[in-house]
Amino acid sequence: DAGVTQSPTHLIKTRGQQVTLRCSPKSGHDTVSWYQQALGQGPQFIFQYYEEEERQRGNFPDRFSGHQFPNYSSELNVNALLLGDSALYLCASSLRWVGDGLNEQFFGPGTRLTVL
Amino acid sequence: AQSVAQPEDQVKVAEGNPLTVKCTYSVSGNPYLFWYVQYPNRGLQFLLKYITGDNLVKGSYGFEAEFNKSQTSFHLKKPSALVSDSALYFCAVRDSTDTGRRALTFGSGTRLQVQP
Repeated sequence: DAGVTQSPTHLIKTRGQQVTLRCSPKSGHDTVSWYQQALGQGPQFIFQYYEEEERQRGNFPDRFSGHQFPNYSSELNVNALLLGDSALYLCASSLRWVGDGLNEQFFGPGTRLTVL
Repeated sequence: AQSVAQPEDQVKVAEGNPLTVKCTYSVSGNPYLFWYVQYPNRGLQFLLKYITGDNLVKGSYGFEAEFNKSQTSFHLKKPSALVSDSALYFCAVRDSTDTGRRALTFGSGTRLQVQP
C-alpha cells in the first residue's frame, strides 16, 4: 500500500516565480491538507481539500492556491514567490468522515522549496 | 482558537533512561491530541493519539503519552530510550467539538537527543 507521495523532492526557484507542488494521497483517502514547515518550526496549516473544493484555510495569502482532482490527488500553487516562502511543504491525507469524527492524517515526505 | 506549547526546544537523555517530552494545549472544547516524529529529510510519522477514554495512550515504538485534562497536558514518554529515538517530536491538537475545523495545530517541536 503506497503511502502519501509528493513531487518533486526538492525545488529551487527565484523571487517572483511561480511553483506547483504535487501530492498523491494514501490509498482510500479522500481529503488532502497542505502544511508549510519553515526551518526550525512546526508545520503550519495552509488549506484542506475535499470533494475538489477548498474546505478550510489557514492564515496564508491568496498567493497560495490549490486544486484537488477527481482521483483525490492535489496540487499546491504559489505565485509571486518570496524569500520567506522557502520551506518544507508537507501534504497530509485522511478520510473526511471516520466513525468518531476523527480524521487521522498521514504525511508525505515533503517538498523542500528554496527561493533565491 | 487552538494552540500547542512545547516548552523544551531540546531534551537530552542517556540511552536506557526514561524520557519525557512535554506538551500543553489549549482548545475551546475537548481535544484530540497527537504525537508525530520527524527524522531528517523525512515527513512526519504518526506515533499515537488521544481521542477519549483511558488517559494513558500507547503508541508505536514503545512510546506512550498521558493525557491530563486538569493540567491540559499530553506528555510523551518512553521507559527506556534508544539512540535511534533521536529525532524531532511534534505535539498536535484539534478541537473535537469544532466539526468544521479538521486541521491540526502543531507545536514548535522538541529535538530529542539520546546519548549512547
